[in-house]
Amino acid sequence: EVQLQESGPGLVKPSQSLSLTCSVTGYSITSNYWGWIRKFPGNKMEWMGYISYSGSTSYNPSLKSRISITRDTSKNQFFLQLNSVTTEDTATYYCARCRSGSYYFDYWGQGVMVTVSS
Amino acid sequence: DVVMTQTPVSLPVSLGGQASISCRSSQSLVHSNGNTYLHWYLQKPGQSPQLLIYRVSNRFSGVPDRFSGSGSGTDFTLKISRVEPEDLGDYYCLQSTHFPWTFGGGTKLELK
Repeated sequence: EVQLQESGPGLVKPSQSLSLTCSVTGYSITSNYWGWIRKFPGNKMEWMGYISYSGSTSYNPSLKSRISITRDTSKNQFFLQLNSVTTEDTATYYCARCRSGSYYFDYWGQGVMVTVSS
Repeated sequence: DVVMTQTPVSLPVSLGGQASISCRSSQSLVHSNGNTYLHWYLQKPGQSPQLLIYRVSNRFSGVPDRFSGSGSGTDFTLKISRVEPEDLGDYYCLQSTHFPWTFGGGTKLELK
């Protein structure tokens, strides 16, 4: 069974970087796509980006140059880094698997709530 | 960006009744390859989103046939028949035809 688990700090200071890890079991990240999605207070959801089976990436332009998604295939993990965070980055962050060819997220992690505050 | 407009925002229903949620896109979701990448999710309280319907009308594995999706172009609908308690929560549509991928604003299905 495919399982994803996010981990990382729940509190980040403004202007610092947010770093999260998604650990995947039951499936290799060298297949399909692997994405990050966040849900803001008030329930708006935003696709942040993904890393593909080959290591190529695609990002939401709204995040401009602040976002980076990388991976470690030896550990079957992928990572989110979001730089220069503000209070508007306070959200619950989810990692999820995205099926090649149909581009839907079928398996999700449980989510990690990140608060940006001094 | 493609704007996904979901209505209604809140939908009171009776158990055993029917619910219908609309998702309209600001431009056609038909990809150049002919496919339409419109999907539906349910997020129950305290849980992560779960996939219900992919590519407009395909039920994901394990999803009851009470859930059905339809539509084309810019206008899509999720219907739930014989609503059960476990169906309550927040419903979202997602388009992955155009970058950036975008979600609808959500519909809260709650008891009348």
